[in-house]
Amino acid sequence: QKEVEQNSGPLSVPEGAIASLNCTYSDRGSQSFFWYRQYSGKSPELIMSIYSNGDKEDGRFTAQLNKASQYVSLLIRDSQPSDSATYLCAGITSTSGTYKYIFGTGTRLKVLA
Amino acid sequence: EADIYQTPRYLVIGTGKKITLECSQTMGHDKMYWYQQDPGMELHLIHYSYGVNSTEKGDLSSESTVSRIRTEHFPLTLESARPSHTSQYLCASSLWGEQYFGPGTRLTVT
Repeated sequence: QKEVEQNSGPLSVPEGAIASLNCTYSDRGSQSFFWYRQYSGKSPELIMSIYSNGDKEDGRFTAQLNKASQYVSLLIRDSQPSDSATYLCAGITSTSGTYKYIFGTGTRLKVLA
Repeated sequence: EADIYQTPRYLVIGTGKKITLECSQTMGHDKMYWYQQDPGMELHLIHYSYGVNSTEKGDLSSESTVSRIRTEHFPLTLESARPSHTSQYLCASSLWGEQYFGPGTRLTVT
């Protein structure tokens, strides 16, 4: 089992809809989570970070963290074709004092005009 | 905006050559990382560093080495390039959690 898992997709949504991207993690010691967006041929860029249970909103993006169920999600409201990209979930674990940064494999999102 | 630079951006080189990929950041970040990524595929961690004179191997063994003599500089060296090293190499830095990526180096080994 991968430490951070994502469905590879593609996830296709119509323009204007809400896109929901999910990520699960295996290490209960994981504390902090990050969402990155990567356009084809480009480097990943940070969208949001979330550290505590609940929702965190930033513009059209909402990150959700549920530590009891060990999942993180990213909601994109009013999806635009320009949101079409691969979205990477990442988490930090610090088990036994060892700091480890783990990326998921990414979910490809297609927003259809 | 993050200031992290990679050179060269593109490199085509023959098998057996020694190459060094450069990565520099001006943000004073302690942590730096090297990733390898093929088109449409996941990121693979090659090496990382949590500070000067500290380097560790990641999950992917790529027959490469790194050094961290200065905070801002984290070069990656391939002693003998092979066609299997053909890929995109991404450098990143962070202060704690958020990683900032450079533009990448596209390496082709012929």
